[in-house]
Amino acid sequence: AQKITQTQPGMFVQEKEAVTLDCTYDTSDPSYGLFWYKQPSSGEMIFLIYQGSYDQQNATEGRYSLNFQKARKSANLVISASQLGDSAMYFCAMREPNTNAGKSTFGDGTTLTVKP
Amino acid sequence: DAGVIQSPRHEVTEMGQEVTLRCKPISGHDYLFWYRQTMMRGLELLIYFNNNVPIDDSGMPEDRFSAKMPNASFSTLKIQPSEPRDSAVYFCASAVGVPGQPGEKLFFGSGTQLSVL
Repeated sequence: AQKITQTQPGMFVQEKEAVTLDCTYDTSDPSYGLFWYKQPSSGEMIFLIYQGSYDQQNATEGRYSLNFQKARKSANLVISASQLGDSAMYFCAMREPNTNAGKSTFGDGTTLTVKP
Repeated sequence: DAGVIQSPRHEVTEMGQEVTLRCKPISGHDYLFWYRQTMMRGLELLIYFNNNVPIDDSGMPEDRFSAKMPNASFSTLKIQPSEPRDSAVYFCASAVGVPGQPGEKLFFGSGTQLSVL
């Protein structure tokens, strides 16, 4: 069975600094997809970034980048130049092989607080 | 694009009542998912549809829960009868594309906060 682990229940970062949110996963399938979502206090879930297991390069989307270390089974999210609006809950998720993005297993989330 | 639209945004009901949650996916998306989020269990996939056909309902907690997708632009999640332990945020999400293709991602609605008293 697939499993996602986010070991940091809460993180603090100073505005304008970079922060790394940890995510490790466990799967025996060679093909999988990894996602990060943001959930602000308003409740909606917002897609941030995607990494495929066969992608050679780390994914980047604006200030978000994914530090993908396949051998270690980790997919950490890096947010550069943190902004106050980045304060939210962040979820790591893994898609089961040969299924659409939605049939994913989610981690428990990390609450990020950006300090002014 | 209006995004995934869910209604109602908030629902408060009494135990034993029927609850119906509604979802309009993004036009052109051929997958629709219902998720439930609670503090204790996090995000759980309840059921998903592909081209209006239910594919996997193994996450539906019990027979009190049912979901339908009569057409490509509408889905419902019904709980009958509702119980206090059903209180949660219910998300609908839609997606398009082939797994593994660049750009695959899930678009979530704003969720329905359900409180069963």
